Amino acid sequence: DAKTTQPPSMDCAEGRAANLPCNHSTISGNEYVYWYRQIHSQGPQYIIHGLKNNETNEMASLIITEDRKSSTLILPHATLRDTAVYYCIVRGGADGLTFGKGTHLIIQP
Amino acid sequence: GAGVSQSPSNKVTEKGKDVELRCDPISGHTALYWYRQSLGQGLEFLIYFQGNSAPDKSGLPSDRFSAERTGGSVSTLTIQRTQQEDSAVYLCASSLDAGRRAMNGYTFGSGTRLTVV
Repeated sequence: DAKTTQPPSMDCAEGRAANLPCNHSTISGNEYVYWYRQIHSQGPQYIIHGLKNNETNEMASLIITEDRKSSTLILPHATLRDTAVYYCIVRGGADGLTFGKGTHLIIQP
Repeated sequence: GAGVSQSPSNKVTEKGKDVELRCDPISGHTALYWYRQSLGQGLEFLIYFQGNSAPDKSGLPSDRFSAERTGGSVSTLTIQRTQQEDSAVYLCASSLDAGRRAMNGYTFGSGTRLTVV
């Protein structure tokens, strides 16, 4: 599976949009982009995934560049409960998702 | 069940003892995954099952680790002769299947916190 690069940490003010970037320049054509988050002391939680089109659900939006080499997860109105580590993962095969170090997003009151 | 259930939630064991960690996946999920997370670290993939089969066991850290799954449901991760470096949170996840049809990804349990003293 392709490797991803994320900033180690980010701050965002409560109520503002949080935009979390992810680089996956070696992604191949059959690999999807997945986002998970892990709130302290809990198991990771699925957020959203996509292949090449932008996606939106009740939690977030996923914007994937046309060349698919990077993507951005958008939390439209961040709350304090969104403070967590956010993982960007690309996957094409059947084996386990490979989690990197992720981005520690801190929502400031 | 409604979610992935793991037991025990916490386990303290003495170095050298064997431990068994249990995972009960979401009903109907054929794929099951084990991860571990050491303090302050990312998730380390250990093994996955599609049904009762584990196609790739190379992620297991040593031969002291083994896992099985029976009846396509409950899975047990066994650690023999535990060492202090085995201390971590062991997380289990399940998905509809292991292929790309698992479009909503994994559902994780809350984990078992293992402490080896």
